[in-house]
Amino acid sequence: GENVEQHPSTLSVQEGDSAVIKCTYSDSASNYFPWYKQELGKRPQLIIDIRSNVGEKKDQRIAVTLNKTAKHFSLHITETQPEDSAVYFCAASIFNNDMRFGAGTRLTVKP
Amino acid sequence: GAVVSQHPSRVICKSGTSVKIECRSLDFQATTMFWYRQFPKQSLMLMATSNEGSKATYEQGVEKDKFLINHASLTLSTLTVTSAHPEDSSFYICSAYGLAGAKDTQYFGPGTRLTVL
Repeated sequence: GENVEQHPSTLSVQEGDSAVIKCTYSDSASNYFPWYKQELGKRPQLIIDIRSNVGEKKDQRIAVTLNKTAKHFSLHITETQPEDSAVYFCAASIFNNDMRFGAGTRLTVKP
Repeated sequence: GAVVSQHPSRVICKSGTSVKIECRSLDFQATTMFWYRQFPKQSLMLMATSNEGSKATYEQGVEKDKFLINHASLTLSTLTVTSAHPEDSSFYICSAYGLAGAKDTQYFGPGTRLTVL
């Protein structure tokens, strides 16, 4: 089955700097890769996603890149703000079913 | 946006009792619903996948007789933790997959925190 690895497990950046979180997946059939932000005690919220027919997607300060050959994808947050502090999960799935999550990255943005 | 509700949000029960958690998609029809479990400071672990009107598909290591899933309609799925024990204490989150607005994706419920004494 699919196995998703996520790095780093914790990330601390200064406000205004960029943050990058990387994930790798094992199943080449996976074609949908969402990223979720989860604040303490709350449900995960979808922040951006990418499908396998696209190499990069951007939404304001957030961007995701996908390398199908290498089977890895990354989340990029630019101009970080304290409210970006949360746990971020990557996930991989085939047509949005049976989503497999990475272990999560705790991002702390210091003011 | 799409709304998925879960009830109850918190439940505390005695060891040996059964607990039912409901997951509802409020403004869209969910072709598939998923149940996840999250231990403290850990990732979401998929427990089972259910389609309306059919038996749930359980992940390896998840006891189907202990975690009963019923998907009665396109908007309701229930997870029953039978004969709960302290090790079942966890944060349970459901998600519903469907087309809501212009986006088809999984929408997560707010979660249910189960504490078994």
